[in-house]
Amino acid sequence: DTAVSQTPKYLVTQMGNDKSIKCEQNLGHDTMYWYKQDSKKFLKIMFSYNNKELIINETVPNRFSPKSPDKAHLNLHINSLELGDSAVYFCASSPRPQGHQPQHFGDGTRLSIL
Amino acid sequence: GQNIDQPTEMTATEGAIVQINCTYQTSGFNGLFWYQQHAGEAPTFLSYNVLDGLEEKGRFSSFLSRSKGYSYLLLKELQMKDSASYLCAVRDNQGGKLIFGQGTELSVKP
Repeated sequence: DTAVSQTPKYLVTQMGNDKSIKCEQNLGHDTMYWYKQDSKKFLKIMFSYNNKELIINETVPNRFSPKSPDKAHLNLHINSLELGDSAVYFCASSPRPQGHQPQHFGDGTRLSIL
Repeated sequence: GQNIDQPTEMTATEGAIVQINCTYQTSGFNGLFWYQQHAGEAPTFLSYNVLDGLEEKGRFSSFLSRSKGYSYLLLKELQMKDSASYLCAVRDNQGGKLIFGQGTELSVKP
């Protein structure tokens, strides 16, 4: 059973389009995250939700809008895609924001902008 | 500012021991994590340190010195499957976000 699952795994689209990435976790965790990993493999936090409430919103263009319909889901919608948005996007979850338990990552969504 | 440094690449021999260093300067500190990431896959958790000292877990150990802003990951009895990227991450006080280093690409040679 996959703990943190993201769809789609690959996303190839044209500049200017709008796309969504979905994430679901079946671990019963309260906290979920979106990270972006660029071509240099640098992982950077974008957003975090705890019990459906936004708790982290890093300096991300407002073309990116996260939505958490319930604790188990955190989706990411991206408007007007740009070339620089090409990256791997990872969803992660943890029991709570702090504590010793680690964040569990999904397999990533590879976004390529043509 | 937030800064986490680790070597970009390392090479080691199968069966040997390798130490991957990580230094950090962050505005807050609430624990340090090490993750392993194979090419094209998700990062997977290896170890966690929040107090000074050594944590051992099988072939992997991790050390932390908070006063020096320093950690290392020690891998013993290296195997070919240990070839991967190793990510050092500090958890900030704000919302539990992880601040990652650039990762160290480890190549294990026969």
